[in-house]
Amino acid sequence: AQSVTQLDSQVPVFEEAPVELRCNYSSSVSVYLFWYVQYPNQGLQLLLKYLSGSTLVESINGFEAEFNKSQTSFHLRKPSVHISDTAEYFCAVSVAGGSNYKLTFGKGTLLTVNP
Amino acid sequence: NAGVTQTPKFQVLKTGQSMTLQCAQDMNHEYMSWYRQDPGMGLRLIHYSVGAGITDQGEVPNGYNVSRSTTEDFPLRLLSAAPSQTSVYFCASTKQGRAEAFFGQGTRLTVV
Repeated sequence: AQSVTQLDSQVPVFEEAPVELRCNYSSSVSVYLFWYVQYPNQGLQLLLKYLSGSTLVESINGFEAEFNKSQTSFHLRKPSVHISDTAEYFCAVSVAGGSNYKLTFGKGTLLTVNP
Repeated sequence: NAGVTQTPKFQVLKTGQSMTLQCAQDMNHEYMSWYRQDPGMGLRLIHYSVGAGITDQGEVPNGYNVSRSTTEDFPLRLLSAAPSQTSVYFCASTKQGRAEAFFGQGTRLTVV
């Protein structure tokens, strides 16, 4: 079985500051890794994913995450946040090579960007 | 292309009532899943389906039934609602062989 730990339940930051949302996972098999974002009163949207290849993955809105196999981590970073980045962020894993109907989620990190 | 559509968006039930949460996808995805989201708990898998006529239990299946008679639809049934089922429910679908899951907008259910 897989498990995901998001180390911070809430992260408040000021606009234009850098941010890191931390995610660690546990699994006895290879996994795919995901970050999903949930804006207030909306569904989940995929932010970025790691399947294989380069361990650094990027999203179109400036977020990046790095897969670290030795530390079993997949931390999410952004060098300069905007007010519009305020949302809840979920880290998730699924078994690599399998199909993605069984995602295991972390408990979420609420990112609040203050002016 | 609507993606994953969930109805209703909001629902209030009395304890013991039954209801069905609807989920439909128009992307011809083989796999569909139901999750519940509770504060501080993240999302937990209730039931999933790998194709029409095939369903299986996830992490928290008790109190819920599902069926999959068509590729497009995957309804979730609460036979006798309990306050512990107050939650936000999300349906997701995935194309076979692909990693990305697409989520609906959610149904916020309150059981009083």
